[in-house]
Amino acid sequence: ELKVEQNPLFLSMQEGKNYTIYCNYSTTSDRLYWYRQDPGKSLESLFVLLSNGAVKQEGRLMASLDTKARLSTLHITAAVHDLSATYFCAVDTGNQGAQKLVFGQGTRLTINP
Amino acid sequence: DTEVTQTPKHLVMGMTNKKSLKCEQHMGHRAMYWYKQKAKKPPELMFVYSYEKLSINESVPSRFSPECPNSSLLNLHLHALQPEDSALYLCASSQGLAGGHEQYFGPGTRLTVT
Repeated sequence: ELKVEQNPLFLSMQEGKNYTIYCNYSTTSDRLYWYRQDPGKSLESLFVLLSNGAVKQEGRLMASLDTKARLSTLHITAAVHDLSATYFCAVDTGNQGAQKLVFGQGTRLTINP
Repeated sequence: DTEVTQTPKHLVMGMTNKKSLKCEQHMGHRAMYWYKQKAKKPPELMFVYSYEKLSINESVPSRFSPECPNSSLLNLHLHALQPEDSALYLCASSQGLAGGHEQYFGPGTRLTVT
């Protein structure tokens, strides 16, 4: 059974600091996604990573994928309060028929002024 | 238009009721998904439709019955639910059937079973 594990699960940090969220998964896959969810809201797609060594950046967020280590990271640079949310990684284990996403537990990020 | 819409936003139903959740997208996506999300937990996949055909059923109890009337619509029919079925039900769609396409999520229906 595929396991997708994020750490930390809770992260409280100060504005202006840098930090990294880790996503480990237990099966071979080269398709990994990062989503953001605000309290009481739906999921917003952040990054799609489709190959070993893929790196994507958007604003203060940067995501990378190492398929050999089965590890993805989400790096936050100079955090600001607006980035407070829950972040999920998700691994696609589907075949050609359809995507089958398995989500990590989520990392609840709180950024304090 | 990159929007997935869901109705209703909130639903309260008794254990003997029958209700339906509706999801719609007009992005031309050919895959649509139902997820269940309990509070403070990640979404869990329930069903996947590809080209209007059910391709994945994650061993969901039969009191949940999905339906895909056309490529833009996805319904979830609910009958004889249990209180533990109370959750946020999310619909999503993606452009392709294979991997590599991000899923767009709707706002969800918050379901309470009394």
